[in-house]
Amino acid sequence: KQEVTQIPAALSVPEGENLVLNCSFTDSAIYNLQWFRQDPGKGLTSLLLIQSSQREQTSGRLNASLDKSSGRSTLYIAASQPGDSATYLCAVRGTGNQFYFGTGTSLTVIP
Amino acid sequence: EAGVAQSPRYKIIEKRQSVAFWCNPISGHATLYWYQQILGQGPKLLIQFQNNGVVDDSQLPKDRFSAERLKGVDSTLKIQPAKLEDSAVYLCASSFTGRDTEAFFGQGTRLTVV
Repeated sequence: KQEVTQIPAALSVPEGENLVLNCSFTDSAIYNLQWFRQDPGKGLTSLLLIQSSQREQTSGRLNASLDKSSGRSTLYIAASQPGDSATYLCAVRGTGNQFYFGTGTSLTVIP
Repeated sequence: EAGVAQSPRYKIIEKRQSVAFWCNPISGHATLYWYQQILGQGPKLLIQFQNNGVVDDSQLPKDRFSAERLKGVDSTLKIQPAKLEDSAVYLCASSFTGRDTEAFFGQGTRLTVV
Protein backbone atom coordinates (compact mmCIF):
# COMPACT_ATOMS: atom_id res chain seq x y z
CA LYS A 1 0.00 0.00 0.00
CA GLN A 2 1.30 3.42 -0.93
CA GLU A 3 2.50 5.56 1.99
CA VAL A 4 3.03 9.28 1.50
CA THR A 5 5.00 11.36 4.00
CA GLN A 6 5.45 15.11 4.11
CA ILE A 7 8.19 16.88 6.01
CA PRO A 8 8.11 19.21 7.83
CA ALA A 9 4.63 19.09 9.33
CA ALA A 10 4.76 22.82 9.99
CA LEU A 11 6.99 25.62 8.80
CA SER A 12 7.17 29.28 9.71
CA VAL A 13 9.29 31.68 7.65
CA PRO A 14 9.69 35.45 7.30
CA GLU A 15 8.29 37.08 4.18
CA GLY A 16 10.63 37.01 1.20
CA GLU A 17 12.37 33.75 2.03
CA ASN A 18 12.64 30.88 -0.40
CA LEU A 19 11.48 27.56 0.99
CA VAL A 20 11.25 23.88 0.16
CA LEU A 21 8.54 21.42 1.10
CA ASN A 22 9.25 17.70 0.89
CA CYS A 23 7.12 14.75 -0.07
CA SER A 24 8.20 11.10 -0.14
CA PHE A 25 6.33 8.00 -1.25
CA THR A 26 7.01 4.29 -0.90
CA ASP A 27 5.80 2.86 -4.22
CA SER A 28 7.41 4.31 -7.35
CA ALA A 29 4.71 2.82 -9.64
CA ILE A 30 2.77 6.06 -10.00
CA TYR A 31 1.04 7.85 -12.85
CA ASN A 32 1.62 11.36 -11.58
CA LEU A 33 2.06 13.54 -8.54
CA GLN A 34 0.00 16.59 -7.71
CA TRP A 35 0.65 19.40 -5.24
CA PHE A 36 -2.37 21.06 -3.66
CA ARG A 37 -2.97 24.06 -1.47
CA GLN A 38 -5.66 24.03 1.23
CA ASP A 39 -6.80 27.15 3.05
CA PRO A 40 -8.57 26.73 6.41
CA GLY A 41 -12.10 25.42 5.98
CA LYS A 42 -11.73 25.19 2.23
CA GLY A 43 -11.28 22.49 -0.39
CA LEU A 44 -8.09 21.65 -2.27
CA THR A 45 -6.71 23.86 -5.01
CA SER A 46 -4.41 22.19 -7.51
CA LEU A 47 -1.04 23.92 -7.83
CA LEU A 48 1.09 21.69 -10.03
CA LEU A 49 0.78 18.32 -11.74
CA ILE A 50 3.93 16.34 -12.61
CA GLN A 51 3.62 13.30 -14.86
CA SER A 52 5.66 10.24 -13.97
CA SER A 53 7.88 10.85 -17.01
CA GLN A 54 8.65 14.44 -16.05
CA ARG A 55 11.31 15.80 -13.71
CA GLU A 56 9.80 19.16 -12.86
CA GLN A 57 7.01 21.65 -13.43
CA THR A 58 6.93 25.38 -12.86
CA SER A 59 4.12 27.84 -12.29
CA GLY A 60 5.02 31.39 -11.34
CA ARG A 61 6.95 31.32 -8.07
CA LEU A 62 6.34 27.58 -7.64
CA ASN A 63 8.58 24.81 -8.88
CA ALA A 64 7.93 21.15 -8.22
CA SER A 65 10.41 18.37 -8.89
CA LEU A 66 9.92 14.62 -9.05
CA ASP A 67 12.45 11.83 -8.62
CA LYS A 68 10.28 8.78 -9.10
CA SER A 69 13.02 6.22 -8.62
CA SER A 70 13.85 7.52 -5.15
CA GLY A 71 10.22 8.27 -4.27
CA ARG A 72 10.69 11.98 -3.66
CA SER A 73 9.17 15.26 -4.70
CA THR A 74 9.87 18.81 -3.59
CA LEU A 75 7.86 21.99 -3.88
CA TYR A 76 9.99 25.10 -4.03
CA ILE A 77 8.34 28.44 -3.27
CA ALA A 78 10.37 31.51 -4.19
CA ALA A 79 10.09 34.87 -2.45
CA SER A 80 7.37 33.76 -0.05
CA GLN A 81 4.45 36.09 0.71
CA PRO A 82 1.93 36.16 3.58
CA GLY A 83 -0.73 35.05 1.08
CA ASP A 84 1.18 31.79 0.66
CA SER A 85 0.19 30.80 4.19
CA ALA A 86 -1.83 27.59 3.90
CA THR A 87 -1.47 23.83 4.16
CA TYR A 88 0.29 22.19 1.24
CA LEU A 89 -0.57 18.60 0.36
CA CYS A 90 1.05 16.26 -2.09
CA ALA A 91 -0.84 13.38 -3.65
CA VAL A 92 0.47 10.53 -5.78
CA ARG A 93 -1.77 8.85 -8.33
CA GLY A 94 -1.43 5.11 -8.26
CA THR A 95 -1.86 2.80 -11.22
CA GLY A 96 -5.43 2.11 -10.06
CA ASN A 97 -6.17 5.82 -10.56
CA GLN A 98 -6.61 6.45 -6.85
CA PHE A 99 -4.84 9.33 -5.09
CA TYR A 100 -2.80 8.85 -1.93
CA PHE A 101 -2.24 11.93 0.18
CA GLY A 102 0.36 12.99 2.68
CA THR A 103 -0.64 14.69 5.91
CA GLY A 104 0.44 18.09 4.66
CA THR A 105 2.82 20.89 5.61
CA SER A 106 1.28 23.88 7.35
CA LEU A 107 3.08 26.99 6.13
CA THR A 108 3.01 30.36 7.85
CA VAL A 109 4.70 33.32 6.20
CA ILE A 110 5.31 36.11 8.67
CA PRO A 111 5.03 39.69 7.33
CA GLU B 1 -15.36 25.82 -16.66
CA ALA B 2 -17.58 25.04 -13.66
CA GLY B 3 -15.82 23.26 -10.83
CA VAL B 4 -16.86 20.37 -8.62
CA ALA B 5 -20.00 21.34 -6.72
CA GLN B 6 -20.77 20.01 -3.26
CA SER B 7 -23.61 20.59 -0.85
CA PRO B 8 -24.25 21.32 1.88
CA ARG B 9 -21.14 23.25 2.97
CA TYR B 10 -21.75 22.61 6.65
CA LYS B 11 -23.83 20.14 8.61
CA ILE B 12 -24.27 19.56 12.34
CA ILE B 13 -26.12 16.44 13.48
CA GLU B 14 -26.49 14.41 16.62
CA LYS B 15 -24.92 10.98 16.86
CA ARG B 16 -27.07 8.17 15.52
CA GLN B 17 -28.77 10.52 13.05
CA SER B 18 -28.36 10.13 9.32
CA VAL B 19 -26.88 12.60 6.84
CA ALA B 20 -26.37 12.80 3.08
CA PHE B 21 -23.89 14.76 0.98
CA TRP B 22 -24.21 15.56 -2.69
CA CYS B 23 -21.55 16.05 -5.35
CA ASN B 24 -21.78 17.18 -8.97
CA PRO B 25 -18.48 16.60 -10.78
CA ILE B 26 -17.01 18.54 -13.66
CA SER B 27 -18.84 17.75 -16.87
CA GLY B 28 -17.27 14.86 -18.74
CA HIS B 29 -15.28 13.53 -15.81
CA ALA B 30 -15.84 9.80 -15.63
CA THR B 31 -13.97 9.25 -12.38
CA LEU B 32 -15.43 10.52 -9.10
CA TYR B 33 -13.89 10.21 -5.64
CA TRP B 34 -15.13 10.76 -2.10
CA TYR B 35 -12.51 11.52 0.53
CA GLN B 36 -12.74 11.95 4.29
CA GLN B 37 -10.39 14.47 5.88
CA ILE B 38 -10.16 14.45 9.65
CA LEU B 39 -8.72 17.60 11.21
CA GLY B 40 -4.93 17.63 10.97
CA GLN B 41 -4.76 14.68 8.59
CA GLY B 42 -4.52 14.20 4.87
CA PRO B 43 -7.59 13.14 2.89
CA LYS B 44 -8.39 9.43 2.96
CA LEU B 45 -10.15 7.78 0.04
CA LEU B 46 -13.59 6.39 0.90
CA ILE B 47 -14.83 5.37 -2.53
CA GLN B 48 -13.89 5.73 -6.19
CA PHE B 49 -16.37 5.50 -9.07
CA GLN B 50 -15.70 5.00 -12.74
CA ASN B 51 -18.89 6.18 -14.44
CA ASN B 52 -21.57 4.53 -12.28
CA GLY B 53 -19.45 1.56 -11.20
CA VAL B 54 -17.44 1.24 -8.00
CA VAL B 55 -13.69 0.83 -8.55
CA ASP B 56 -12.46 0.95 -4.96
CA ASP B 57 -14.46 1.04 -1.73
CA SER B 58 -12.02 -0.86 0.43
CA GLN B 59 -11.84 1.90 3.06
CA LEU B 60 -15.55 2.68 3.18
CA PRO B 61 -17.13 1.62 6.52
CA LYS B 62 -19.93 -0.23 4.81
CA ASP B 63 -21.90 -0.86 7.99
CA ARG B 64 -22.77 2.85 8.13
CA PHE B 65 -21.57 4.53 4.94
CA SER B 66 -23.07 4.15 1.49
CA ALA B 67 -22.55 5.93 -1.79
CA GLU B 68 -24.08 5.85 -5.21
CA ARG B 69 -23.54 7.46 -8.56
CA LEU B 70 -26.66 6.85 -10.54
CA LYS B 71 -26.40 7.65 -14.27
CA GLY B 72 -22.66 8.17 -13.88
CA VAL B 73 -22.89 11.88 -13.14
CA ASP B 74 -23.64 13.25 -9.68
CA SER B 75 -23.17 11.26 -6.53
CA THR B 76 -24.46 11.05 -2.97
CA LEU B 77 -22.66 9.84 0.13
CA LYS B 78 -24.74 8.81 3.13
CA ILE B 79 -23.92 8.07 6.72
CA GLN B 80 -26.43 6.17 8.85
CA PRO B 81 -26.13 6.15 11.81
CA ALA B 82 -23.46 8.79 12.41
CA LYS B 83 -20.82 8.47 15.12
CA LEU B 84 -18.77 11.16 16.82
CA GLU B 85 -15.65 10.01 14.96
CA ASP B 86 -17.34 10.76 11.63
CA SER B 87 -16.79 14.47 12.27
CA ALA B 88 -14.62 15.52 9.34
CA VAL B 89 -14.60 17.32 6.01
CA TYR B 90 -15.96 15.21 3.18
CA LEU B 91 -14.35 16.08 -0.13
CA CYS B 92 -15.53 15.13 -3.57
CA ALA B 93 -13.14 15.10 -6.51
CA SER B 94 -13.38 14.24 -10.18
CA SER B 95 -11.08 13.64 -13.11
CA PHE B 96 -10.99 12.41 -16.66
CA THR B 97 -9.98 8.80 -17.04
CA GLY B 98 -6.34 8.32 -17.89
CA ARG B 99 -2.95 8.38 -16.29
CA ASP B 100 -2.08 11.92 -17.32
CA THR B 101 -5.11 13.61 -15.87
CA GLU B 102 -5.50 16.00 -12.99
CA ALA B 103 -7.94 15.75 -10.08
CA PHE B 104 -10.19 18.66 -9.17
CA PHE B 105 -11.74 19.02 -5.74
CA GLY B 106 -14.89 20.61 -4.45
CA GLN B 107 -15.06 22.92 -1.42
CA GLY B 108 -16.04 20.05 0.83
CA THR B 109 -18.77 19.48 3.40
CA ARG B 110 -17.78 20.00 7.02
CA LEU B 111 -19.68 17.52 9.20
CA THR B 112 -19.87 17.92 12.96
CA VAL B 113 -21.43 15.08 14.94
CA VAL B 114 -22.40 16.04 18.50
